[in-house]
Amino acid sequence: TQLLEQSPQFLSIQEGENLTVYCNSSSVFSSLQWYRQEPGEGPVLLVTVVTGGEVKKLKRLTFQFGDARKDSSLHITAAQPGDTGLYLCAGARWTGANNLFFGTGTRLTVIP
Amino acid sequence: DTGVSQNPRHKITKRGQNVTFRCDPISEHNRLYWYRQTLGQGPEFLTYFQNEAQLEKSRLLSDRFSAERPKGSFSTLEIQRTEQGDSAMYLCASSLGSSDGGIQYFGAGTRLSVL
Repeated sequence: TQLLEQSPQFLSIQEGENLTVYCNSSSVFSSLQWYRQEPGEGPVLLVTVVTGGEVKKLKRLTFQFGDARKDSSLHITAAQPGDTGLYLCAGARWTGANNLFFGTGTRLTVIP
Repeated sequence: DTGVSQNPRHKITKRGQNVTFRCDPISEHNRLYWYRQTLGQGPEFLTYFQNEAQLEKSRLLSDRFSAERPKGSFSTLEIQRTEQGDSAMYLCASSLGSSDGGIQYFGAGTRLSVL
């Protein structure tokens, strides 16, 4: 049973389009992290959100943590081919938790 | 700081053989984690060390799996009598603990294929 469900599972868009990836759970998390993973590589951390309602921006990427700390979203503006990859959300159930619960992943392909 | 290093990157073995993977964490990190990732899925937690002590093990870690971190630095994950279902990417991560929010930094993984 996955604690975190991501949608969509697959997304293929044209360069320049905007997209949003969702990460949902019925459980509360103390923090939530977003990673991007390239084929054959480990996940690379993009951002950590810790406060309900928090919004963080990294260039064209906007991350939001839900008010109830049960969900999160990742919005990419003007997608580029370099954004192609597997996007994973991961949550820590409490501060200093020893393991992360990962979502099911969203595989994004940006077509030039 | 060279990040988390895992060796080998790829391992192909026959069913029934034993395999061992190594993880070298970021040098000042006292916490080390092992995860397993199957194709099309997110990583799943296997086990966690704080220094040399193995403090938590997932139910996914069957008795054929054993992990060690003898001096609180590098760690090894051994799988005995491998089965085809063990084929996966094995990821190692390390962190400073709660002092930096518990952010985990991942290695590139070891991809295991059991024939």
